This record gives sequence, C-alpha cells and structure tokens, in this order.
Amino acid sequence: ELKVEQNPLFLSMQEGKNYTIYCNYSTTSDRLYWYRQDPGKSLESLFVLLSNGAVKQEGRLMASLDTKARLSTLHITAAVHDLSATYFCAVAVMEYGNKLVFGAGTILRVKS
Amino acid sequence: KAGVTQTPRYLIKTRGQQVTLSCSPISGHRSVSWYQQTPGQGLQFLFEYFSETQRNKGNFPGRFSGRQFSNSRSEMNVSTLELGDSALYLCASSQRTSGGTVQYFGPGTRLTVT
Repeated sequence: ELKVEQNPLFLSMQEGKNYTIYCNYSTTSDRLYWYRQDPGKSLESLFVLLSNGAVKQEGRLMASLDTKARLSTLHITAAVHDLSATYFCAVAVMEYGNKLVFGAGTILRVKS
Repeated sequence: KAGVTQTPRYLIKTRGQQVTLSCSPISGHRSVSWYQQTPGQGLQFLFEYFSETQRNKGNFPGRFSGRQFSNSRSEMNVSTLELGDSALYLCASSQRTSGGTVQYFGPGTRLTVT
C-alpha cells in the first residue's frame, strides 16, 4: 500500500528565508503532484513531476523529484507572506488511473 | 474555460439522512475523482469515474456511492449519514497534457452532520 510522508508538518519562517519541504513515498509511482491550499479553499495545482531528476520552478517555488530515493522536495526561496498556506504532495498509484495518495500537508506560515 | 463546479457548497444534514453531492468537470474532461478531507484523516480518495464507469474505489464503506453521467457530470451519494462523515468533499477532473495528467479540483462541498 502506497504511503506518503511529508515533513515538516508545520513550518514557521521569516520573510526572506529559504526552506525545503520533503515528501517521501513508499512504492514506485509515475507521477507526483504538489498542491497549495489556502484556509477554507480548494486545492490549487502547483507542479506535476513525472520523471527522475525532474525539476520545475514557478516564482519562489521549485519542486524536484528523485524516483530512486522516492523523494520529492519543494524548495521555497526568499519566502514572502503570500506563500503562507498548506502544501500537499500527492502521489499517483500506478495502474490505478488517477487515484492519488496525499501526504498530511505542511502548514507554512511566513512571518513579516 | 470554466473550472470544476460543485453544488451545493454547504450542507447541513442530520444523522441517518442521506445526501447527494454534484460535480461538473471542466469541459472535455472525462475523468472525475472524489476525495474526502477531514482534519483527522486528511485527504482520502473515494472513487474515480471515467466515461460513466467506476475505475477506482477507495477504502470507504458501501454507504458511499457515486455515478457519472454521459455528459461527464458526477454525483456522489452518502446514505445513513454518521457524524464522522462531516468533511469537505472535493471533486477533481483530470486531463492528460504533454506535461502529465493534471487534476483540477473544485471548490468543494462542506458537509456538516449533526
């Protein structure tokens, strides 16, 4: 059974600092997703990572995937308050269509 | 293109009642998935429909069911509601792109069972 672990679960950081959120998963997969959720809102798609070594960047966020280590990272560069949200990684269960298994989420608070 | 829409947005029901939630995917998307989000269990997969057929099912009791219509709209039904069914129910529609299959989530239906 696929399990997805995120850490840390809570991250409080100062504006301008860098930090990384980690996502480990237990079995082989062909897709990994990062989502953002603001309080009371739905999930916003950030990145889709498909292959080993994939790296995608959008603004201050950069996601990477190491399929051999079954590890993805979401790196935050020079954090700003607007990045405060909950970030989820989700891994597709192979041969099960679009079934995703989500991590517990990382609550990010960026302090001004 | 309009996004994924879900109705109703909020719902209050009593234990033992049943409820039906609706999801309209993005035009042209044929896959619709449903997820339950609770503070204790997080985001959990309920089921996926593709071209009117259930393709995958999560580990939920038979009280949770769904269907998909020929226009790709989907409904999920929960019968004999329990307090623990209080949650945000999210629907997602999927499209395969050159950059991989992307799942777009709707705004959700917040169900409160009293």
